[in-house]
Amino acid sequence: GAGVSQSPSNKVTEKGKDVELRCDPISGHTALYWYRQSLGQGLEFLIYFQGNSAPDKSGLPSDRFSAERTGGSVSTLTIQRTQQEDSAVYLCASSPRGVLDTQYFGPGTRLTVL
Amino acid sequence: KQEVTQIPAALSVPEGENLVLNCSFTDSAIYNLQWFRQDPGKGLTSLLLIQSSQREQTSGRLNASLDKSSGRSTLYIAASQPGDSATYLCAAANAGGTSYGKLTFGQGTILTVHP
Repeated sequence: GAGVSQSPSNKVTEKGKDVELRCDPISGHTALYWYRQSLGQGLEFLIYFQGNSAPDKSGLPSDRFSAERTGGSVSTLTIQRTQQEDSAVYLCASSPRGVLDTQYFGPGTRLTVL
Repeated sequence: KQEVTQIPAALSVPEGENLVLNCSFTDSAIYNLQWFRQDPGKGLTSLLLIQSSQREQTSGRLNASLDKSSGRSTLYIAASQPGDSATYLCAAANAGGTSYGKLTFGQGTILTVHP
């Protein structure tokens, strides 16, 4: 079956603009995760959804970052007033039931803020 | 706060060698330990997941062990092949507290297997 998909694959934006990143999880997976991977920082957890609710938002770097999930499926990560330090690869993953299952990752969105 | 460290940061070996990648974690209160592979420009692929009650897991030429009390896991790759070249990441799933289930990743080991 189809894996986790993310769009766009690449995004170049100017400092101060807002961006939206999309994640389509594997059908039927109830848990969805966002991570950020940047040079020197490794892979950082951002937020986790169980269904449409987000029990853990602890990794969101600032109030410029927000995420939502609708219909227990698609999720959008929004970054407002982008800064150069937001440049990174944003990875999405999903798992069948919850946080303790194997996570299946999408290919990521590479965000470059000029 | 959980910290995960991987050694070595990079490894280059000739084809056919057996090799070991190391992962250590500071907080032994984990639910599981996972190993992933990442190819350049791609997402992560799950290789093995070891529950905290288990000592090891095997899949093909890969074997992962877990010693929770000492905070260590190893990934053993037998008879390495050029196609094994990738970055290998380990991640610990925290048990309990507000970070329950949260994956904390190491920085990765970049493996190159040359023909």
